Amino acid sequence: GAVVSQHPSRVICKSGTSVKIECRSLDFQATTMFWYRQFPKQSLMLMATSNEGSKATYEQGVEKDKFLINHASLTLSTLTVTSAHPEDSSFYICSARERFEKLFFGSGTQLSVL
Amino acid sequence: QQQVKQSPQSLIVQKGGISIINCAYENTAFDYFPWYQQFPGKGPALLIAIRPDVSEKKEGRFTISFNKSAKQFSLHIMDSQPGDSATYFCAASLTGGFKTIFGAGTRLFVKA
Repeated sequence: GAVVSQHPSRVICKSGTSVKIECRSLDFQATTMFWYRQFPKQSLMLMATSNEGSKATYEQGVEKDKFLINHASLTLSTLTVTSAHPEDSSFYICSARERFEKLFFGSGTQLSVL
Repeated sequence: QQQVKQSPQSLIVQKGGISIINCAYENTAFDYFPWYQQFPGKGPALLIAIRPDVSEKKEGRFTISFNKSAKQFSLHIMDSQPGDSATYFCAASLTGGFKTIFGAGTRLFVKA
C-alpha cells in the first residue's frame, strides 16, 4: 500500500513555543491530506482538510490561528501548532487520500507541551 | 445522519476464537466502508474495505459482512491471535467525497 511519512513521531516542547509536524506521501501524489487529533482511547477527530495550493478547510471548533496548515506540494503538508499550551498535548495524525477513496495514515506525532 | 455507530467498545477473545465487531451507518449515500487497525502510538492502517455491491469480502483471516438493507457491516477476525490485539475502527465515506466518518473504535484483546 501507499506510504505516508509523518515526522516527528514525538515532540516535547515548552509552553508558548511553536511546533511543526510534517506529513509526506512517499509514493503517490496526494491532492488532499487530512489532519486528525486523537485523545487516549478515543476515535480520530478531523481537524482540517488540506488541499494542495489552496487554504485548508477547518472543522468547526478548530482554531485556524492555532493550528496552521500548509499544503505546499502534492506530497507535503505541514501542521504548525502555534504558541502551544498544555491543553494542545495530544496525538496528531495525518492522512493522505490516494485516488478517490483510500486513506493512508502517517504514524502519528505525540505532542507533549510542558 | 453522518454517524457511524460501532460496537462493542471493547472485546476480549481467546486465542483461536472469532472476533466480531459491528458497525451501523445512517447515510445511504455512503459507498465505501473500510476497516482500520491501530496499534498504540501508531497511526491507523487500512485493513480491508468493501463496497455495497457485495455482501462479503474476505482477505486472509479478515472478513467483512455487509447488509445494505439493514445499513450494517461487520468485521470478523477468524482464528484470532494475540498479535491482533489492537483498536479497530470502522469507517464510511463517499467515493470522491472528502470526509471519512469513523466509528468510535473497538479495543480488541486476544488472550494467549
